[in-house]
Amino acid sequence: DTAVSQTPKYLVTQMGNDKSIKCEQNLGHDTMYWYKQDSKKFLKIMFSYNNKELIINETVPNRFSPKSPDKAHLNLHINSLELGDSAVYFCASSQDGAANSPLHFGNGTRLTVT
Amino acid sequence: DQQVKQNSPSLSVQEGRISILNCDYTNSMFDYFLWYKKYPAEGPTFLISISSIKDKNEDGRFTVFLNKSAKHLSLHIVPSQPGDSAVYFCAASGDQGAQKLVFGQGTRLTINP
Repeated sequence: DTAVSQTPKYLVTQMGNDKSIKCEQNLGHDTMYWYKQDSKKFLKIMFSYNNKELIINETVPNRFSPKSPDKAHLNLHINSLELGDSAVYFCASSQDGAANSPLHFGNGTRLTVT
Repeated sequence: DQQVKQNSPSLSVQEGRISILNCDYTNSMFDYFLWYKKYPAEGPTFLISISSIKDKNEDGRFTVFLNKSAKHLSLHIVPSQPGDSAVYFCAASGDQGAQKLVFGQGTRLTINP
C-alpha cells in the first residue's frame, strides 16, 4: 500500500551510460515532482508535473528527461551519465500545486556513477 | 545562493526536554513554510506547516513559530521522544506554491535517553 514508490532503490552505473528511474503514486494526486539531494544534503527541485504537463524545469541539463505517461507516473531518464549526477533522487507527489498541499515523497533512489 | 538556511547541522537533546530547530530565509516573497522529517533510507514526511499570515501553528507536541520581520522560523518539539531522532528539513514556497519548494539542508536531531 506504498503511497509513492520509486525503483530502483540503488543504481550503480558507469559514466556515459543511460539509465531510468521509475516513480508511481497511488494517492490520486495531480502533481508529481523529482528532487535531487546532493552531497551537501540540499533537496533541490528538478521538475514538477501537473496532470502530465511539465510546470517547472529548474535549469536541469537536457540529459535529464522526465516522462509522465499518466498522472500517476513520472519517470526520469538520464542520458550520458556524469560523475556529478551521483546523488539521491526523490520522487514526490501532492494533491495539487497549492502551497498548503504537502508533498509525499518516495524513499529515494541512490545513484552512483563511477 | 541558498534562500533557506538551517545553520545547525546537528542538535542533541535529552529525552523529555524541548527541542528547538531553527530556520532562516532570505526571500521576502516566501509566504508558506513547512517542516519535514526524514528517517534514514526513507523519504521526507510532512510534519507541520504555517502560512505567513500566522505567527504560530501547533499540532500536538509540535509547534512552529514564524517571525516574518526576522525572516526566521523555528520548530519546537516538547516533550522530545527517542522516535523524534531524525533529520528535519525546513521548506518555503512563494507564488509557485508546492510546485517550487525551497528546502534547507536539514538539521539532524538526536534525542538521548
